[in-house]
Amino acid sequence: GNSVTQMEGPVTLSEEAFLTINCTYTATGYPSLFWYVQYPGEGLQLLLKATKADDKGSNKGFEATYRKETTSFHLEKGSVQVSDSAVYFCALRGGNEKLTFGTGTRLTIIP
Amino acid sequence: DSGVTQTPKHLITATGQRVTLRCSPRSGDLSVYWYQQSLDQGLQFLIQYYNGEERAKGNILERFSAQQFPDLHSELNLSSLELGDSALYFCASSVDPAGFSSYNEQFFGPGTRLTVL
Repeated sequence: GNSVTQMEGPVTLSEEAFLTINCTYTATGYPSLFWYVQYPGEGLQLLLKATKADDKGSNKGFEATYRKETTSFHLEKGSVQVSDSAVYFCALRGGNEKLTFGTGTRLTIIP
Repeated sequence: DSGVTQTPKHLITATGQRVTLRCSPRSGDLSVYWYQQSLDQGLQFLIQYYNGEERAKGNILERFSAQQFPDLHSELNLSSLELGDSALYFCASSVDPAGFSSYNEQFFGPGTRLTVL
């Protein structure tokens, strides 16, 4: 079945540092890949997505590229802010429509 | 605001009890999904409905059931509650027009936090 392996957290960075959160997946066929973010006390919000190989999703300074050859979808941001502190989930969606999530990575940015 | 609403926001109940969680999808969305987020299991898919019919089932316990009504709102019923059912329950919705569903974004509600004492 489908699965997502996500970098263990928590991750603590200083403001303006470079962020990478690793995500790799196992899936049959050609899944769509997503990063969701969960701010404290809130629900999940879609951060970015990519629907086919070599697509790059981007939003709010975050980027992730769908790499089929390495089955990866790593999340990156060049300069993080305190407001980026949240839990980040990598997810995939295959033909059966449901989302399969990674375990989540808690990110804390200190000023 | 995703447009998906869930009630109640918090629910505290005792073991052995039964509760109902409610979800109203975004206007125009035909498909509703339920997910459970717990500390030990992470985020897991429970069940999906499309236009009133069950479409897919995930790791949903037999003590749990759901339905989608003609107005497209959905309810998740949890019975014979156990301590381990304490979790955040999310509802999501997507358009999912018939015959094309692989890439439609799922919009999540704020969740219902269930605490079983």
